[in-house]
Amino acid sequence: DAGVIQSPRHEVTEMGQEVTLRCKPISGHNSLFWYRQTMMRGLELLIYFNNNVPIDDSGMPEDRFSAKMPNASFSTLKIQPSEPRDSAVYFCASSFPGGRTEAFFGQGTRLTVV
Amino acid sequence: KQEVTQIPAALSVPEGENLVLNCSFTDSAIYNLQWFRQDPGKGLTSLLLIQSSQREQTSGRLNASLDKSSGRSTLYIAASQPGDSATYLCAVLSGSARQLTFGSGTQLTVLP
Repeated sequence: DAGVIQSPRHEVTEMGQEVTLRCKPISGHNSLFWYRQTMMRGLELLIYFNNNVPIDDSGMPEDRFSAKMPNASFSTLKIQPSEPRDSAVYFCASSFPGGRTEAFFGQGTRLTVV
Repeated sequence: KQEVTQIPAALSVPEGENLVLNCSFTDSAIYNLQWFRQDPGKGLTSLLLIQSSQREQTSGRLNASLDKSSGRSTLYIAASQPGDSATYLCAVLSGSARQLTFGSGTQLTVLP
């Protein structure tokens, strides 16, 4: 397996534009996590899916953020409209549920909103 | 709410030294604890996973221990090398929603 695949790797956009980040989890993994990493706040969990269903979205900062998982092999994180304070590295991770195995992370998407 | 703390925030050691990184968590009702490594500008690489029923895990020069009752874990790195320089992150899986909560990391520099 190629691991967790995220796209794009880098995204630069203007304030107010819509941004969509994509994630392909490891085949067979039922749990998917979206994290945001900044120097100030470290790694923050945004949302967690289990079997394509959002289990906990309490970390989603505002209504401008939304996430979907239409099937077991694809998830998106959308920011609309984007703001400069959304600039961060966004990571997707996947694992088998139940905590029996490790969580594997993608390489991240570095988002810059100007 | 689970909180994870890592001490020290940064550590610089000469090559060959053995070292210990510390992680503590506030809610001992965890499913597992995982240690990650992150190189600058890169994603997270899983190093070791300790289940809540286990006391330690070993992989090569790395040994991680878990004392769930006291809410502590340590990562021991033997015979450190410059290639070990990275940020090391501790994360615990806990809660009914099975959240993976991260510490802020220890930035390790091994000097040649």
